[in-house]
Amino acid sequence: EVQLLESGGGLVQSGGSLRLSCAASGFTFSNYAMSWVRQAPGKGLEWVSVISGSGGTTYYADSVKGRFTISRDNSKNTLFLQMNSLRAEDTAVFYCAQGGTRAHTYGSHDSWGQGTLVTVSS
Amino acid sequence: DIQMTQSPSSLSASVGDRVTITCQASQDINNYLNWYQQKPGKAPKLLIYDASNLEPGVPSRFSGSGSGTDFTFTISSLQAEDLATYYCQQYGDHPPYTFGQGTKLEIK
Repeated sequence: EVQLLESGGGLVQSGGSLRLSCAASGFTFSNYAMSWVRQAPGKGLEWVSVISGSGGTTYYADSVKGRFTISRDNSKNTLFLQMNSLRAEDTAVFYCAQGGTRAHTYGSHDSWGQGTLVTVSS
Repeated sequence: DIQMTQSPSSLSASVGDRVTITCQASQDINNYLNWYQQKPGKAPKLLIYDASNLEPGVPSRFSGSGSGTDFTFTISSLQAEDLATYYCQQYGDHPPYTFGQGTKLEIK
């Protein structure tokens, strides 16, 4: 059974930084792309970033490009999201999500974690 | 970027009703479309992948169809436990992987 467990959320001031983690189990982590998807309070889902299984390919939404960095440690089955220069509009629940193994399936999110809340105070 | 237009934004239906949600892509996405269910306070759950394939373990009352730019999600006979918000999402060749605005389904 696939399990994804996010951690690292919390309250941070505008302009601050936070690092999210997602511990994965139940599948061969290094074979699968992984994404971060966020959801602002009362709003819809917004894809944030994706990283390929090897870690060699990354993509970002324009809204976070240059401020957020996705990475992974395949030896520890863990996904990360380093968030810098945080803004009030980054306040959201952040989910990690399992993607596919091939490039055209990177964004197909088969399994999701329970989410971690990031609150940015202005 | 590809835009996804999902409708309606909300709907109310009775147990046993047939429910249909549509999603339109701003350009051809082949069949690279998923449907997710998000119950209140929970993470999204994949129901339909590649536009029309039922995820294992998902009840057969859920179905999807379409290709290219126009897609449909159907619940053949609504159950009380289907109370949720439903999202379409395209995952074409290149990011960003955009979601529809969501459809909040209420039970009468």
